[in-house]
Amino acid sequence: GESVGLHLPTLSVQEGDNSIINCAYSNSASDYFIWYKQESGKGPQFIIDIRSNMDKRQGQRVTVLLNKTVKHLSLQIAATQPGDSAVYFCAEKVAFPGGKLIFGQGTELSVKP
Amino acid sequence: GAVVSQHPSRVICKSGTSVKIECRSLDFQATTMFWYRQFPKQSLMLMATSNEGSKATYEQGVEKDKFLINHASLTLSTLTVTSAHPEDSSFYICSARPLAGGTDTQYFGPGTRLTVL
Repeated sequence: GESVGLHLPTLSVQEGDNSIINCAYSNSASDYFIWYKQESGKGPQFIIDIRSNMDKRQGQRVTVLLNKTVKHLSLQIAATQPGDSAVYFCAEKVAFPGGKLIFGQGTELSVKP
Repeated sequence: GAVVSQHPSRVICKSGTSVKIECRSLDFQATTMFWYRQFPKQSLMLMATSNEGSKATYEQGVEKDKFLINHASLTLSTLTVTSAHPEDSSFYICSARPLAGGTDTQYFGPGTRLTVL
């Protein structure tokens, strides 16, 4: 279902540490997942995606893990930097109709220098 | 590549007036664009799916006569908030899904901050 959370979970990490952001998705039929980064006052920015036939995908400093058994998605950021501070959303693509995305509630990442 | 723009970036209007927001895919074509609304500290809520050359599909609870969507070309969709009221004040964000490559990825615009006085 669609998220309407009133409070954003927050994660505070030290610069240089690794960050792990978790997301539980709702629809076992979803076949595509995306992580977005949103800075204050801006639109979401694509980070990394993964299809349901994979369980891991790596990008530059980021890794997405998918566990379909428990409908869980995670985003790992290596060597977190102050510029990584933002709200991170996972999104699942609903197979039908129209391939629309359903967004999770988001996690606010704060990186301390 | 995959740049989406929105205009205006912010708008302040009086209650009862209508406001039009444009969403453009700058370097790709998109048969499908999406409109979202986001309140402070909350997630993105899908309002409607805009399909080029056909009527938009609205999510449950979104009034189609209040939020008029037009998708007249493969690079432009517009959202018109009619008879805006203070409760319509929000951050409106569009996204576009590229026509080429069969991708499922959506690329987002920078958003439009609407304030209704």
